[in-house]
Amino acid sequence: QITLKESGPTLVKPTQTLTLTCTFSGFSLSTSGVGVGWIRQPPGKALEWLAVIYWNGDERYSPSLKSRLTITTDTSETQVVLTMTKMDPVDTATYFCAHSYDNSGYYLTASWGYWGQGTLVTVSS
Amino acid sequence: SYVLTQPPSVSVAPGQTARITCGGDNIGSKSVHWYQQKPGQAPVLVVYDDSDRPSGIPERFSGSNSGNTATLTISRVEAGDEADYYCQVWDSNSDQVFGGGTKLTVL
Repeated sequence: QITLKESGPTLVKPTQTLTLTCTFSGFSLSTSGVGVGWIRQPPGKALEWLAVIYWNGDERYSPSLKSRLTITTDTSETQVVLTMTKMDPVDTATYFCAHSYDNSGYYLTASWGYWGQGTLVTVSS
Repeated sequence: SYVLTQPPSVSVAPGQTARITCGGDNIGSKSVHWYQQKPGQAPVLVVYDDSDRPSGIPERFSGSNSGNTATLTISRVEAGDEADYYCQVWDSNSDQVFGGGTKLTVL
């Protein structure tokens, strides 16, 4: 059974750096075709993809946020960490982590089949 | 950047068929995925790779994709289908892209 859960601060101040952790189980990030990504959703607004890291070490970022984002895995390979610098009130959102998998070789086009419950991050002084 | 355009809202009576569109430049050449999101919940994948259904998703949910429009079709709509629906693709320039979402209202 695949599960993902996000954790991190619920409140950050403007200009601070946000660090979110996605703890997962039921799969290995070492398995070919697997990816773990982050997607956010401001209150009442649409989903916005942020970043993804794949089993082969490929890291990809939203072009509009690339300069502020870093995605990494921890040494145990059961967690994926997202850092976002220079937080602003417009970054207030629910942040989801999600799992993708493709066994056809086109891993970039895979869907997000499993999602965490999300964590609401508010940016305010 | 690649843009996916969805109607903000679609309304349908119970038992009828709902069609939610997702427009994009030559989207027919891409794999389209659809997600259902109910208030306060995480999105759920309902259709992937244009027209495939994950296990556990009713056959009432189907998808098609051609030209500049992908469509999610929900047959025999039920009250429990009321939710926001998002399309999503991968684009070589924009990477992962989500549509703006469509609120499905069951009358």
